[in-house]
Amino acid sequence: QVTLRESGPALVKPTQTLTLTCTFSGFSLSTRGMCVSWIRQPPGKALEWLALIDWDDDKYYSTSLKTRLTISKDTSKNQVVLTMTNMDPVDTATYYCARNRDCSGRMDVWGQGTTVTVSS
Amino acid sequence: DIQMTQSPSTLSASVGDRVTITCRASQSISSWLAWYQQKPGKAPKILIHKASSLESGVPSRFSGSGSGTEFTLTISSLQPGDFATYYCQQYNSYSWTFGQGTKVEIK
Repeated sequence: QVTLRESGPALVKPTQTLTLTCTFSGFSLSTRGMCVSWIRQPPGKALEWLALIDWDDDKYYSTSLKTRLTISKDTSKNQVVLTMTNMDPVDTATYYCARNRDCSGRMDVWGQGTTVTVSS
Repeated sequence: DIQMTQSPSTLSASVGDRVTITCRASQSISSWLAWYQQKPGKAPKILIHKASSLESGVPSRFSGSGSGTEFTLTISSLQPGDFATYYCQQYNSYSWTFGQGTKVEIK
């Protein structure tokens, strides 16, 4: 059974750096063709794809956020980490990680999400 | 980035109705389109990938069609559990983008 779980701070202050961890089971990110994405959703708004990392450690980022994002993986711990710098109240959202089984855009299993509020 | 536009934004329908949601891309995305269903407080669930391929375990009343820039999601007979928000997503090119969502409400 494939599961993913996001973890990180519920509250960050403006200008701080956010670090989120996606811990997964049921698949390996060292398997060819396996990828993990991060997606976010501000309250009452649409989904926004943020970043992807593949089995070969290639990384892809949202055009609008790429200067602020870093994605990395620890294959031995089955974790993917996303950092976002210079947080702003508009970054308040639920952040999800999801598996891309064939490294296509098809996100077939999602975590439950973690809510992050940016406020002083 | 490729922009995805869904219509309508909100749709009121009754159980048993046939429902169609449209998604338009700002440029051709071939068939690299997925549809997701999201219920309040829950993570999205994938329904369809590659424009018309039904995900395993998804009821056959859901279907997708289209290619290029225009796509549709059809629910042939709306069931109580189908009242939710639906999103299209292109994965033709990075960065991947979602539509703004279509909320299917009870009439």
